[in-house]
Amino acid sequence: SQTIHQWPATLVQPVGSPLSLECTVEGTSNPNLYWYRQAAGRGLQLLFYSVGIGQISSEVPQNLSASRPQDRQFILSSKKLLLSDSGFYLCAWSRLNRGNEQFFGPGTRLTVL
Amino acid sequence: KNQVEQSPQSLIILEGKNCTLQCNYTVSPFSNLRWYKQDTGRGPVSLTIMTFSENTKSNGRYTATLDADTKQSSLHITASQLSDSASYICVVRTNTGNQFYFGTGTSLTVIP
Repeated sequence: SQTIHQWPATLVQPVGSPLSLECTVEGTSNPNLYWYRQAAGRGLQLLFYSVGIGQISSEVPQNLSASRPQDRQFILSSKKLLLSDSGFYLCAWSRLNRGNEQFFGPGTRLTVL
Repeated sequence: KNQVEQSPQSLIILEGKNCTLQCNYTVSPFSNLRWYKQDTGRGPVSLTIMTFSENTKSNGRYTATLDADTKQSSLHITASQLSDSASYICVVRTNTGNQFYFGTGTSLTVIP
């Protein structure tokens, strides 16, 4: 069976500090990978998605970047965090077909102070 | 503009009661519509998927309907339980590209 992991689960960082959130998927190969942010009381906002190693599409201009160094590893980064980067970050994966159901990770709660 | 709107924004019901959540969308071309349940502090989990030709689909006490003509979907929860307390998110996928459109969700609270 497939599983998706995210860490850390919670993170408190000062403004201006760097960020690295990691997501890994097990039990499947060549998945589509996604990073979402969910602000309080808001819907899920797609940040990045990737269809393969080294292939990253950015949906919105922002202070964040993403990388996919391995097939089942997706990393969300920032060089300098802003207060507005606070939120709940979700990683998800999907197969190319099968209705493209997305399977979400447990999420990372990021608070920037 | 492709949008997904959900109502109500929040809902409080007594345990054992039924409720219906609404999702209206303007996404085109339509591929499928999913309802997700998101427990607080967790990732969303898919409940049902509706394609263009499907009107109704059930998953236990959850029943989703789809009217592709009016671009409306509903999620009906029967005999609610405390564990149904969560946010319910409607997601519409287009046929073109890998595009998903998320509603802002309905926050459901079931009280004893």
